[in-house]
Amino acid sequence: GENVEQHPSTLSVQEGDSAVIKCTYSDSASNYFPWYKQELGKRPQLIIDIRSNVGEKKDQRIAVTLNKTAKHFSLHITETQPEDSAVYFCAAIYQGGSEKLVFGKGTKLTVNP
Amino acid sequence: GAGVSQSPSNKVTEKGKDVELRCDPISGHTALYWYRQSLGQGLEFLIYFQGNSAPDKSGLPSDRFSAERTGGSVSTLTIQRTQQEDSAVYLCASSRSYTETQYFGPGTRLLVL
Repeated sequence: GENVEQHPSTLSVQEGDSAVIKCTYSDSASNYFPWYKQELGKRPQLIIDIRSNVGEKKDQRIAVTLNKTAKHFSLHITETQPEDSAVYFCAAIYQGGSEKLVFGKGTKLTVNP
Repeated sequence: GAGVSQSPSNKVTEKGKDVELRCDPISGHTALYWYRQSLGQGLEFLIYFQGNSAPDKSGLPSDRFSAERTGGSVSTLTIQRTQQEDSAVYLCASSRSYTETQYFGPGTRLLVL
């Protein structure tokens, strides 16, 4: 089955700096990679996702890159703001198979004003 | 449309009592998932339903935990003879199918005294 590793577990940046969170996956057949943001005391919410037929996807200050050869994908947040502080989870799955979505263990991002 | 809802939002119980947690998925979503999240931790998968059947119960921590889903909609997670280590946030998620994006409910915060 799929296994997802996420790094770092905690990340602290200054407001305005960029933040990068990296995930690796084990199943080369995985083709869908969502990212969730969980603010303190709230539910995880999908913020961006990418499918294996593209290498990069961007939505305003958030971007995700995918390297299928190396089996890793990354979340990039530019011009960070205090409201970006949250726990971020990556996940991976082969859509069309029989396995469920597998989550990384999360990264706690703190943006210091 | 309405998102995933869960009830109760908070539950305080005494050790040894049984509790029942409820999840109402997004209408039309055939897949439903239960996760447990302890304070500051990641998402611990418990069980997943496709329709009314549970193909994957691998995450249930013990035989004190059980879940059912009726009518392909509402699901209940039951914890019998609760222990203090059961204290956590129990999150429910649903998706159109088991390989698609999961949408989370607000969670039930369970405290076992």
